[in-house]
Order: sequence, then structure tokens, then C-alpha cells
Amino acid sequence: DSGVTQTPKHLITATGQRVTLRCSPRSGDLSVYWYQQSLDQGLQFLIQYYNGEERAKGNILERFSAQQFPDLHSELNLSSLELGDSALYFCASSVGDRSEKLFFGSGTQLSVL
Amino acid sequence: GQNIDQPTEMTATEGAIVQINCTYQTSGFNGLFWYQQHAGEAPTFLSYNVLDGLEEKGRFSSFLSRSKGYSYLLLKELQMKDSASYLCAVSVTDKLIFGTGTRLQVFP
Repeated sequence: DSGVTQTPKHLITATGQRVTLRCSPRSGDLSVYWYQQSLDQGLQFLIQYYNGEERAKGNILERFSAQQFPDLHSELNLSSLELGDSALYFCASSVGDRSEKLFFGSGTQLSVL
Repeated sequence: GQNIDQPTEMTATEGAIVQINCTYQTSGFNGLFWYQQHAGEAPTFLSYNVLDGLEEKGRFSSFLSRSKGYSYLLLKELQMKDSASYLCAVSVTDKLIFGTGTRLQVFP
């Protein structure tokens, strides 16, 4: 158990809908990272927050947004969903803000039908 | 741009040794990580190299050459449970970039 909690584990929804994925980092970690992993694709970095502020951005679509709250948990919002958004979404956390050793949650499997 | 290359698939026999290579071309370099990921599960940390040389940790070792943009993960005394994907990841200025991973299958 990495100590990073992600909910829900599975999410099935329809095209055009909006969903929210939730992540609680390990106790003491200030950074939260979001990654997308599609079938046969590597982990694609989406966005990083450190202590409530956006720190780095990757290939995140404009339909996607995220935030980190004062209690350090984070939410990833995906809107106007398309079939191609079906993927495993991982959250990871670390102590600092410099992409050192990351601890990953068990992921949310999103299926868009 | 950022580019990390790993072989897509490898196979090996139980008890053998396997070496998984990773080459990278990135703007900036703060270190190189190896993660293990079983199908449908979260990646788990294996090793971290920031200086040139070999880091050994039990059955797993990782090597880095910064001048060549090259790393390898060496797995000894392979076990069936080592069947997984192995992800090479490079820490650049503000993010951790992953390669597409090498799927290793260990056969009896």
C-alpha cells in the first residue's frame, strides 16, 4: 500500500458527460501529480500541484482541469468526455516539488461508452 | 523535445538474468528512475540514479551513463512474479517523463 488513495476505482460513463476523480496524497506529501495511461501507451503526465498551487503542466487537454485543496487532496475534472478519454488515471504524490520519488495510487479506470 | 526509448517486449526464463535498456534525450536531467508495473496496478519504485554508475539493490541493479543518455535495469535470478512492465522515467526540470515501458514475460 503506497499510502495514496484514489477514488473511485472504476468509472463508467457516456460521451459528453463530466466526471471527477479524487486523490488523497500520502501523509506529509505536498505534491500531487496526475497521469493518464491508455492501452499500450506510457504514463502521460497531465499536471502537478504543490501545496495548493499548480507547479507543472503536461499534455493536459483544455477539457480537463484539476485543483489541490487546502487539505492537500486533489481532484481531476474531465468534461465533454470522448471515447478516447477511456484510460487508467493515476495520481501520485511526493514530499517536495521536484519530481523525486513518486508514490502512486491504485488508479481510476475510466470507461467512456 | 523529450524522448525516452525502451524495447517494447522481452522474454526470459526463470532463474536467468535480463537487462532492460533505456535511452533518453531530454532537455534537462535531474535523475533517472525505474518503476515496476504489474498489469492493471500502480507503478512501484525500483531504483533511482542521479550519478553515473551502478546502483545495486538485491536482485535488481540499475546503471546510468549521463554522457551517453543511457541506462539499464538488470534483473537477476528471475522469478515468475517479475513478469511485469518496467518503466524508465527521467526527471527533468519540472516533471517526471515516462517511457512507454518494457513488458517482460518470465517463462518457467
